[in-house]
Amino acid sequence: QSALTQPRSVSGSPGQSVTISCTGTSSDVGGYNYVSWYQQHPGKAPKLMIYDVSKRPSGVPDRFSGSKSGNTASLTISGLQAEDEADYYCCSYAGSYNVVFGGGTKLTVL
Amino acid sequence: QVQLVQSGAEVKKPGSSVKVSCKASGGTFSSYAISWVRQAPGQGLEWMGGIIPIFGTANYAQKFQGRVTITTDESTSTAYMELSSLRSEDTAVYYCASQAAEYFQHWGQGTLVTVSS
Repeated sequence: QSALTQPRSVSGSPGQSVTISCTGTSSDVGGYNYVSWYQQHPGKAPKLMIYDVSKRPSGVPDRFSGSKSGNTASLTISGLQAEDEADYYCCSYAGSYNVVFGGGTKLTVL
Repeated sequence: QVQLVQSGAEVKKPGSSVKVSCKASGGTFSSYAISWVRQAPGQGLEWMGGIIPIFGTANYAQKFQGRVTITTDESTSTAYMELSSLRSEDTAVYYCASQAAEYFQHWGQGTLVTVSS
């Protein structure tokens, strides 16, 4: 199972919006509505930000949103804040009880 | 609210095995799956496998088949991940995470496993 493809880095200024893409195949991202996104600050455990493509867990700001088109999922962060600077990972169900992660994207808030 | 507390850091020799524990509190242990995800230094997240305690059967990523064993002890609400035939590339932080469905809702604090001669 190959890792999902994410850009290595993205950046934006406070208040701006950024979008992180996550490209897979019809066997994972394109085949199921089970894409999730995780935020990870240095030295910390990942935190669930989006699940089932576009749902937000309780406590996650509505500045974070998710979507999917074909084999590509996206995480959009609007109204960027300094504390959003972190690594972001997408994840997809890949059938047969398997899961695959993306390689991760480092978000820099300028 | 599920909380997952993992065992402490380990230093192992190449060729040996390591067993990491993950104790759950809050929620009903048998009602959610537990997965193990590792992160090598400076690298991304990698799913290793998972188990549903009520069924007791585990599923493993192909990369780790034959080398990893995931088990649970419902009496203590604890999940275990044992990795054998350790090599230097297995040096990583190992996380347990609970799954209500096809996403990882709660995470342990991570356990650093260092493989070095």
